[in-house]
Amino acid sequence: DIQMTQSPSALSASVGDRVTITCRASQGISSYLLWFQQKPGRVPKRLIYAASSLQSGVPSRFSGSGSGTEFTLTISSLQPEDFGTYYCLQHNSYPLTFGGGTKVEIK
Amino acid sequence: DVQLVESGGGLVQPGGSLRLSCAASGFTFSDHYMDWVRQAPGKGLEWVGRIRDKANSYTTEFAASVKGRFTISRDDSKNSLYLQINSLKTEDSAVYFCVRIYGQVVRGANYFAMDVWGQGTTVTVSS
Repeated sequence: DIQMTQSPSALSASVGDRVTITCRASQGISSYLLWFQQKPGRVPKRLIYAASSLQSGVPSRFSGSGSGTEFTLTISSLQPEDFGTYYCLQHNSYPLTFGGGTKVEIK
Repeated sequence: DVQLVESGGGLVQPGGSLRLSCAASGFTFSDHYMDWVRQAPGKGLEWVGRIRDKANSYTTEFAASVKGRFTISRDDSKNSLYLQINSLKTEDSAVYFCVRIYGQVVRGANYFAMDVWGQGTTVTVSS
């Protein structure tokens, strides 16, 4: 199974800060990576697909990069509504595996 | 609008069974693979399994933690997805989401991935 190691597990940042979340895959997954945002009590929302493609309707301050084993989700200027937990998901091979999540708190 | 609505969750004793349903609307259900994902209370997301479409013989894939106990099926005539969960364990307690797999062309290649999620149904396994 492919392990997805996500870091950090939590962060606290101020409005306007640049935030970076990383996912490392235990083996190469090409660009078969998604990023989701989940707010408390809500359903996960897809932000990024194919590692770097922005989902329609998602603000452009969100971006994804990477290929192979190292991937990054960047929020260029953190906004108050960006709180929540962020998850990566590899879908290169079965079983699909999620990262452990990064909880983002607004200072 | 694309909509997925799960139902069938509840309180069940260890060793028991439950059948979850997911009603789809707003898209051609039969054209899509479908997944189940779960989330235990206060925990992260865990992929449960997938069912392919008729063209791919409705074949399924499962996470090791549920293989042999869970079954995924679908009824395209009813736009419905099902998850049969047997021999339930306390660690199966979770919110269960159904998720659509959406195909699109990305950088010149076909790309299939989770997009829309249902709101989830809660399964609690306890004596």
